[in-house]
Amino acid sequence: AQSVTQPDIHITVSEGASLELRCNYSYGATPYLFWYVQSPGQGLQLLLKYFSGDTLVQGIKGFEAEFKRSQSSFNLRKPSVHWSDAAEYFCAVGPTGFQKLVFGTGTRLLVSP
Amino acid sequence: DAGVIQSPRHEVTEMGQEVTLRCKPISGHDYLFWYRQTMMRGLELLIYFNNNVPIDDSGMPEDRFSAKMPNASFSTLKIQPSEPRDSAVYFCASSHRGHHYGYTFGSGTRLTVV
Repeated sequence: AQSVTQPDIHITVSEGASLELRCNYSYGATPYLFWYVQSPGQGLQLLLKYFSGDTLVQGIKGFEAEFKRSQSSFNLRKPSVHWSDAAEYFCAVGPTGFQKLVFGTGTRLLVSP
Repeated sequence: DAGVIQSPRHEVTEMGQEVTLRCKPISGHDYLFWYRQTMMRGLELLIYFNNNVPIDDSGMPEDRFSAKMPNASFSTLKIQPSEPRDSAVYFCASSHRGHHYGYTFGSGTRLTVV
């Protein structure tokens, strides 16, 4: 069965510091992987996706993620965090980019001044 | 494109009342998903449709919940009768076969059952 684990419920990062959010998945075939961001009171917005090709993918707002098949991971990174990045981040996995996705439980990012 | 449109944004209702949540997917999208988000359970897939046909409703909590998609531009999620434990944010999302870009989510409906 598909599953996604985001081991960190909350992370606090100082503004300007680097960020890495962890995501581990369980999937029997080549997965389609996604990161979404949810600001308070809003829906989820797609940050980036991976399904083939270069294992380092770039997304919006300066985010990137690296697919590591050997570790079943798809960690999200940003070199310098801005206060506006404070939000909840969700990792998701699915068989394609348009069918049923399984989401992780989310990581809430807090940005300190 | 206006994106996925959900209504209402907020709904407060009394226990036992019927609640209907509405969703208009992006034009041309052929998949539609209903998710529920709570603090305790996170994001749960309730049901999804392909070409207006329900494909997987295994996430629907119980018979009090029902969903329909009468045409490609409209879907409803109904709860009858509603209970306080149904309080959550309900999201609708849509996607298009062949576009491996994930879903586009609506802004959600925050349901409070008192």
